[in-house]
Amino acid sequence: GENVEQHPSTLSVQEGDSAVIKCTYSDSASNYFPWYKQELGKRPQLIIDIRSNVGEKKDQRIAVTLNKTAKHFSLHITETQPEDSAVYFCAATATGFQKLVFGTGTRLLVSP
Amino acid sequence: DAGITQSPRYKITETGRQVTLMCHQTWSHSYMFWYRQDLGHGLRLIYYSAAADITDKGEVSDGYVVSRSKTENFPLTLESATRSQTSVYFCASSGRGAYEQYFGPGTRLTVT
Repeated sequence: GENVEQHPSTLSVQEGDSAVIKCTYSDSASNYFPWYKQELGKRPQLIIDIRSNVGEKKDQRIAVTLNKTAKHFSLHITETQPEDSAVYFCAATATGFQKLVFGTGTRLLVSP
Repeated sequence: DAGITQSPRYKITETGRQVTLMCHQTWSHSYMFWYRQDLGHGLRLIYYSAAADITDKGEVSDGYVVSRSKTENFPLTLESATRSQTSVYFCASSGRGAYEQYFGPGTRLTVT
């Protein structure tokens, strides 16, 4: 079945810097790759997603890129702010496209 | 976010007891999911349901039972709680399977 690996597990940046989180997946049939942000004590919230027929998608300061050949996708956050501090999870569709497999999360800390 | 709720939000129970966690959504989403979140493991799927009376196992289903008699409700039962089931449990729903899942606020369960 699908396996998703996520790196790094923790990432510390200074306010204003960029942050990049990377994920790899194993099932070449996966076609949907969402990213979730989870603030401390809160629920995971969908912040951006990308389909397999698109190479890049942007939404203000966040962007996601997908390399289907290498089976990896990345989250890019530019001009980071303290409120970007959270745990970020990537995910990919599992066989049958009815469910997701999540990575183990990246804790992002943005220092003022 | 008020469209998906979970109860109770916090629960302490003893080993061997049966406990049921409730999930309710008002979006009429056909898909509903139960995940557990543990440090270092991210979000792992316990069970999911594609529609009323249709359920299927996820990767960590042992010791859990689900039912779905109504589209809007998806209760999760721990038949005989064990300490290893101490976790934060999240319910999610989606109109389209793996795509655009929205999470409830979570239930923190402690088994003593």
